[in-house]
Order: sequence, then C-alpha cells, then structure tokens
Amino acid sequence: SQQGEEDPQALSIQEGENATMNCSYKTSINNLQWYRQNSGRGLVHLILIRSNEREKHSGRLRVTLDTSKKSSSLLITASRAADTASYFCATAVFTGANSKLTFGKGITLSVRP
Amino acid sequence: EAGVTQFPSHSVIEKGQTVTLRCDPISGHDNLYWYRRVMGKEIKFLLHFVKESKQDESGMPNNRFLAERTGGTYSTLKVQPAELEDSGVYFCASSRQGVEEKLFFGSGTQLSVL
Repeated sequence: SQQGEEDPQALSIQEGENATMNCSYKTSINNLQWYRQNSGRGLVHLILIRSNEREKHSGRLRVTLDTSKKSSSLLITASRAADTASYFCATAVFTGANSKLTFGKGITLSVRP
Repeated sequence: EAGVTQFPSHSVIEKGQTVTLRCDPISGHDNLYWYRRVMGKEIKFLLHFVKESKQDESGMPNNRFLAERTGGTYSTLKVQPAELEDSGVYFCASSRQGVEEKLFFGSGTQLSVL
C-alpha cells in the first residue's frame, strides 16, 4: 500500500524562486528520505530526516518533519533550471526482517530559465 | 567507488518471452533491493536481499518473477513469461545498513513488453 503521498503532483516555477513540496504518510515511521530523479536516470538521495528530528538543512535544501501531522516538506531555495526533475519522498519503517522504504508517486518540478 | 550498475538499460520483448535483469550493487553492501515503477504510479517495492538471503519478497507480483543473489554479490531478476503489465522501470538499490541510511540506486532497466 502507498505510504508516502506527495503534493502537488506537478510544480512549475521560475528560476530563482523557491519550490516547496509536501509529503504525507499514514503510519509511524523511523525516518523519511527525499530522492530526486532526473529524466532517464536513477534516484539520487537528497536528505534523510529521522523521526526524532524536526528540521534538517543541506545546501539549498531544507526538510521539515512533523510526526504529529505525519507530514514532511522539502524546500528548495533559489531554484535553478538544473533542479528540474521528479522528487520522491520515501518512508522507512523498521520492522525487523521487513524493513523497507516505501515511495510515493513523486512530484514533477519544472524550473523555467 | 563504483555505483550500483544495472543492465540492460533497456529491454524490449514480446509477451510470453523471458527477460533477465541484472544488478551489481556497491561492493560491501549486504542489502540489495529491487523496486519497480510503472508509468505514472508510485515506485513499488519488490524484494530485499541481505547477502544471499531473501529477507522480504512481499512485493513480488506473482510467481512469474524470480530473483536470485547467488554468493551475495550481484542479483538477477527474471520474468518468465513476461506479460504486458510487467512493463515499467526496474530499479535496484543497495546499502550497508538497510533503510537506516540512504539507498544507492542504479539507473534502472526500462522494460517494454509488447
């Protein structure tokens, strides 16, 4: 069953603007991860936030996690054309042998030059 | 450090044929995962190896799919016989510590069943 659900499904912004993408999930998690996929390529890990963390930064990326609302957001500041890609959130639940990452459908981000 | 390698990158086969996908994880990564993305849908978990053992194969669609990881190094995913609904992108990922840390993904195999 789908755990993470991203919002919006598609986002188009002008270069230099900020992009905010949201992810909601259904069950308790151990960590939440964001990945990026450029067209025709594999997924690239962006950032991991653990369930006891509320915010993390990495370069132009800022991720927040609200476990009470079961939601996360990814903010990309000062976007560039090269940020155009699909973005996925994935939730990790540690259940011993069945620990796995569960992905959503992804968000298509287009950054116009 | 070499990344996760998958081949072929593309495969076009006819319904009823057999296809074998291969994944070479990063050296030293005991955890190996297979995922699939059908167009427009979520990236769906297929199975998880720890070394050569299948830890979780709850996502395998049916018995037409067979995954192996002999010797705990590379893994193969065989689809026999292929059906139209098997079309999609098959991703492989690996890690040292499972999902407690990030996964490293390959570029995927685009499978088209005609």
